[in-house]
Amino acid sequence: GAGVSQSPSNKVTEKGKDVELRCDPISGHTALYWYRQSLGQGLEFLIYFQGNSAPDKSGLPSDRFSAERTGGSVSTLTIQRTQQEDSAVYLCASSLASGPTGELFFGEGSRLTVL
Amino acid sequence: AQSVTQPDIHITVSEGASLELRCNYSYGATPYLFWYVQSPGQGLQLLLKYFSGDTLVQGIKGFEAEFKRSQSSFNLRKPSVHWSDAAEYFCAVGAGGSQGNLIFGKGTKLSVKP
Repeated sequence: GAGVSQSPSNKVTEKGKDVELRCDPISGHTALYWYRQSLGQGLEFLIYFQGNSAPDKSGLPSDRFSAERTGGSVSTLTIQRTQQEDSAVYLCASSLASGPTGELFFGEGSRLTVL
Repeated sequence: AQSVTQPDIHITVSEGASLELRCNYSYGATPYLFWYVQSPGQGLQLLLKYFSGDTLVQGIKGFEAEFKRSQSSFNLRKPSVHWSDAAEYFCAVGAGGSQGNLIFGKGTKLSVKP
């Protein structure tokens, strides 16, 4: 597709279950980002992938959160043993250029609800 | 550490009126500054960005923003608001270094009265 694609668009899960969120970036974009958007809290940076470099995981809130990017393209964000405070919209973005000058293109997000 | 403050959580303006959304940043060097818009149920779309040069930058949809270093501000403006501008607006600053991630403000929700 032409834009960043995320799936599922909505996910409802029970507390304690694991969830996987998928991001398919724009073809050719080397940088990929995950953000979390909670009500009234803006966007919280989670993790950043750039090419084949080690990812910047500095924004991950706990060790229950992990992400991988296979083949430099599709990325999966995994949340283990979900908690109610994990409920949020998880946004993925990709960028053609590395560094702070590249425009980020965002997907429509995956809304996670933990019951 | 870099940070972004958007003092107004919610603003309501009448259609046709002018608009100014405030953004203040904290950053030690020359910042990379951005404004994004998010319509309901949509991802974020870039409105405009400032890296260097002319401090008044033009963006899409008739928006502009002015970088004022002395005030650490990057306010977004539009001379005449349209009903379709109702959305949430996010100011962001580059996180610095070789990274491309951005530090976002908490957003300002814009409502437009007919």
